[in-house]
Amino acid sequence: AQSVAQPEDQVNVAEGNPLTVKCTYSVSGNPYLFWYVQYPNRGLQFLLKYITGDNLVKGSYGFEAEFNKSQTSFHLKKPSALVSDSALYFCAVRPADNYGQNFVFGPGTRLSVLP
Amino acid sequence: KAGVTQTPRYLIKTRGQQVTLSCSPISGHRSVSWYQQTPGQGLQFLFEYFSETQRNKGNFPGRFSGRQFSNSRSEMNVSTLELGDSALYLCASSLAGVSGNTIYFGEGSWLTVV
Repeated sequence: AQSVAQPEDQVNVAEGNPLTVKCTYSVSGNPYLFWYVQYPNRGLQFLLKYITGDNLVKGSYGFEAEFNKSQTSFHLKKPSALVSDSALYFCAVRPADNYGQNFVFGPGTRLSVLP
Repeated sequence: KAGVTQTPRYLIKTRGQQVTLSCSPISGHRSVSWYQQTPGQGLQFLFEYFSETQRNKGNFPGRFSGRQFSNSRSEMNVSTLELGDSALYLCASSLAGVSGNTIYFGEGSWLTVV
């Protein structure tokens, strides 16, 4: 069965500093990996995804993520954090080879960017 | 292009009642999936519909059901509501039945059961 772990419930970072939100996954075969962000009382917004190709994926709002197959990780990064980045971040996985499997989301990581 | 639209946004129901939530996908999207979000359980998959057929179902009791219409709009129904059904119900749509397709979420329907 596939699963996603986000080892940190909360990440605090000062504005202007780089940020990393961690994600590791388990899936049979090749993974499709996604990051979503959720602001208070809102739905989830798509940030970026890895399907194939370059391991470094660039997405919305200056975010990027690096796919590491050997470490089964897909960490989200941003070079310079903004206060407006404060939100709940979800990593998700879906097996590339079996559409019968639905998305599995991690538990979420709350990011707080301090001014 | 309009996003995923969910109605109603907020509702309060009494234990034992039933509720129907509606979702209009992004124009051209044929796949609709539903998720339940709670503080304790996080995001849990309910079911997915594609071309009016349920393709996937999560681990929820039979009180939770759904359907999809020919215009891709979807509804989910919860019967005999329990206090534990209080949650944010999220609908997401995607273009077609391809694993790599991005799913796009609506703003959700906040259900409170009292």
